[in-house]
Parts: sequence; structure tokens; C-alpha cells
Amino acid sequence: SQTIHQWPATLVQPVGSPLSLECTVEGTSNPNLYWYRQAAGRGLQLLFYSVGIGQISSEVPQNLSASRPQDRQFILSSKKLLLSDSGFYLCAWIKRDITYEQYFGPGTRLTVT
Amino acid sequence: GIQVEQSPPDLILQEGANSTLRCNFSDSVNNLQWFHQNPWGQLINLFYIPSGTKQNGRLSATTVATERYSLLYISSSQTTDSGVYFCAGLEAGTASKLTFGTGTRLQVTL
Repeated sequence: SQTIHQWPATLVQPVGSPLSLECTVEGTSNPNLYWYRQAAGRGLQLLFYSVGIGQISSEVPQNLSASRPQDRQFILSSKKLLLSDSGFYLCAWIKRDITYEQYFGPGTRLTVT
Repeated sequence: GIQVEQSPPDLILQEGANSTLRCNFSDSVNNLQWFHQNPWGQLINLFYIPSGTKQNGRLSATTVATERYSLLYISSSQTTDSGVYFCAGLEAGTASKLTFGTGTRLQVTL
């Protein structure tokens, strides 16, 4: 069966510090991968998605970037965090079969202080 | 892209009550999913239901694709049903992005 991992689970970082969040998927190959952000009490905002290694699509201009160095690894980064980067970051994947059903990881709760 | 609207935005139920959550979408979708986000933030897949009706225990869902809506039924609600329910659709002809509704926040009280 497929599993999606995210780490760290929680993170407290000062303004101006760098960020690296990692997401990996097990048990599948060539998935579509996604990064979402959820502000407190709000809906899901799609940040980036990737349909293959090195292929990144950005949904909103922002202080963040994403990379996909391996088939089942998706990384969210920032060079200098802003207070507004605080939130709950969720990684998700879609198995490209007939359904394109999406599954989410457990999330990383980021607080920028 | 498609628009996805959910109603009601908030719902408070007493334990044991039934409820219906609605999801309207603006255009044809070929993937309609319902998720439950528990109080710890985890998004749990409830149903993949592009059309028809499915049941899983106390939960069931119906999608009428031709009329562009989906319903999630919760029967005999329990406190563990609390959280936010999201529906999301994948626009026909695209293979990459789900569009999410803004969610229905459900609180089940004793």
C-alpha cells in the first residue's frame, strides 16, 4: 500500500531563517505531488505541484519554492521566512490511474516568530 | 477553472442527530472527493464519488454530476465526526489540480 510521509511534524523558526520541508511517498511510482498551505481556520491553498522529476508548477507568487529531486520526493523551501509563512503545510499525491484520487500527508505545522 | 461551493459553512449538532452537507460545482468534474479534516489537522479520504451513491458505515455520499452537486450524509453523528469537511473536484480535461471548497465546519456536542 502507499504511504506519504512529511517531516518535521512541527517547526518554530525565526523570521529571516531558511526553511526546508520534506515529503516522500512510498509504494507508488511517478505520482503527481502537491504542496498546500492552510492558514488557521481557513481553506486549502495550492502552492506547487509536480508531474515529474524536476517539473514544478507554481500556483501563487510568494516567498517559497519547491523542488522534486527524486520521483517520490518533494521539497518545499524558503531562503528567508516571513511571519506570513506561518501555517499548516500539507503534501499530497495523486496516483495517475483512472481515478486520480488524491491523498494527503500528516502535515507540518510551521510557526514563524 | 471550476468553482466549488460548500454549505453550510458551520454546523452544530447534538450527538445522534443526522446532517446533510452540500457541495456545488460550476462545471463538469471527473473526480469528486470528500475529505474530513480532524481536529489534529489530518485530512482523511471519505469518498471518491464522481457520480452515484456510496456508503461507508454511518456516512454516505451522492453525486449528481449532471446537476453539478454532491451531498454528504452523516447519520447518528458522534463527537468524533467533528472537524471540517471538504469537497474537491478535478476539472474534466485537466489531470493535475483539485479545486477545493471552503469547507463545512461541524461540531458535534454531547
